[in-house]
Amino acid sequence: GQQVMQIPQYQHVQEGEDFTTYCNSSTTLSNIQWYKQRPGGHPVFLIQLVKSGEVKKQKRLTFQFGEAKKNSSLHITATQTTDVGTYFCAGGIYTDKLIFGTGTRLQVFP
Amino acid sequence: DTGVSQDPRHKITKRGQNVTFRCDPISEHNRLYWYRQTLGQGPEFLTYFQNEAQLEKSRLLSDRFSAERPKGSFSTLEIQRTEQGDSAMYLCASSLERLAGGTDTQYFGPGTRLTVL
Repeated sequence: GQQVMQIPQYQHVQEGEDFTTYCNSSTTLSNIQWYKQRPGGHPVFLIQLVKSGEVKKQKRLTFQFGEAKKNSSLHITATQTTDVGTYFCAGGIYTDKLIFGTGTRLQVFP
Repeated sequence: DTGVSQDPRHKITKRGQNVTFRCDPISEHNRLYWYRQTLGQGPEFLTYFQNEAQLEKSRLLSDRFSAERPKGSFSTLEIQRTEQGDSAMYLCASSLERLAGGTDTQYFGPGTRLTVL
């Protein structure tokens, strides 16, 4: 079946360090979405990428969609303690449902 | 309207009992999704509705699970004869319309945490 994998599974960083999570799909995606889930919370939409090679920025967050539309990355510059949570990518495969990745749990130490 | 709401937030039940969860989407949203999330995993798609029509069901959704959205507004998810493996967070999400080339942005509710003893 369709799978979306993320690496790493966990990442612990010192506040101020950068962080990157990578997302890989077994099939070509029509789009990729990124969500953040705080501990005990629910997924919150961050961004959607649709075009091959697309790069979008939100303040310290940079999102990239691969040329083949099978992979994506999220990079956070100079992490803060408020960045703590699990980051999920979710792939749209030309349908209305999303296939969520396995998630990367980010812990930031002050 | 401040977002998607779900009720109850927590449910503890004994194995074999039936449970029903409710989701109220954002009022103008015509699409409603149900997901299941277990600890340490991403949400898994269960089913979705466009207005009152149930358009897709995952193979994860056994015959014990049924979802309805009778008037195209709120939705219910019922689990019959619950099993311990049903213990999970059940998330509801809603969306408005498809973007060209994309998938709707989905707004999630707080979830219902089910524990089957």
